[in-house]
Amino acid sequence: RKEVEQDPGPFNVPEGATVAFNCTYSNSASQSFFWYRQDCRKEPKLLMSVYSSGNEDGRFTAQLNRASQYISLLIRDSKLSDSATYLCVVNALSGTYKYIFGTGTRLKVLA
Amino acid sequence: ETGVTQTPRHLVMGMTNKKSLKCEQHLGHNAMYWYKQSAKKPLELMFVYSLEERVENNSVPSRFSPECPNSSHLFLHLHTLQPEDSALYLCASTLGSQGGYNEQFFGPGTRLTVL
Repeated sequence: RKEVEQDPGPFNVPEGATVAFNCTYSNSASQSFFWYRQDCRKEPKLLMSVYSSGNEDGRFTAQLNRASQYISLLIRDSKLSDSATYLCVVNALSGTYKYIFGTGTRLKVLA
Repeated sequence: ETGVTQTPRHLVMGMTNKKSLKCEQHLGHNAMYWYKQSAKKPLELMFVYSLEERVENNSVPSRFSPECPNSSHLFLHLHTLQPEDSALYLCASTLGSQGGYNEQFFGPGTRLTVL
């Protein structure tokens, strides 16, 4: 089993749609979780950290389910500019610098 | 701009060449990272330095040699590379000496092609 697993997509959705991605992780001791966004041929940039209680930032909502070992990202009212690859990142072990990246989920928002 | 710069942005080298990648962060961070990103693969952590001390070394071949002369600069020295080493090499930094809790800021990367 991969340490961090994502559906590579692509997810093709119309503008205004709601889309959700899941990411599963294998290490139950993982403490920190993040969603990054990567545009084509660019570097990853933090979209949001994921907290135990769930968190929201505008149209984006992230949730953590420790029992089932997955995190999710919900995007509401999709915009063309949301088209990108969304990377799930998990810190493998508390206090270490070992961040594990998923392969990413590609989103295309269509006009 | 993220405050992390990398040079060169593109590099083509033969298998017998020696070259170096440079990363500089202007954010006052304490930890710096090298990642490799190949097509269709997740980012692979190569090396981590915290306060100029190497704290992670992820079974990377010895043809890759990191150097961290101070907390703002990170180098990756390359020699006798293989074509499969062609990839995007990303540098990142984080604030604080406590691993794993902080946002990583990435540089734009060096796209390396080994002929």
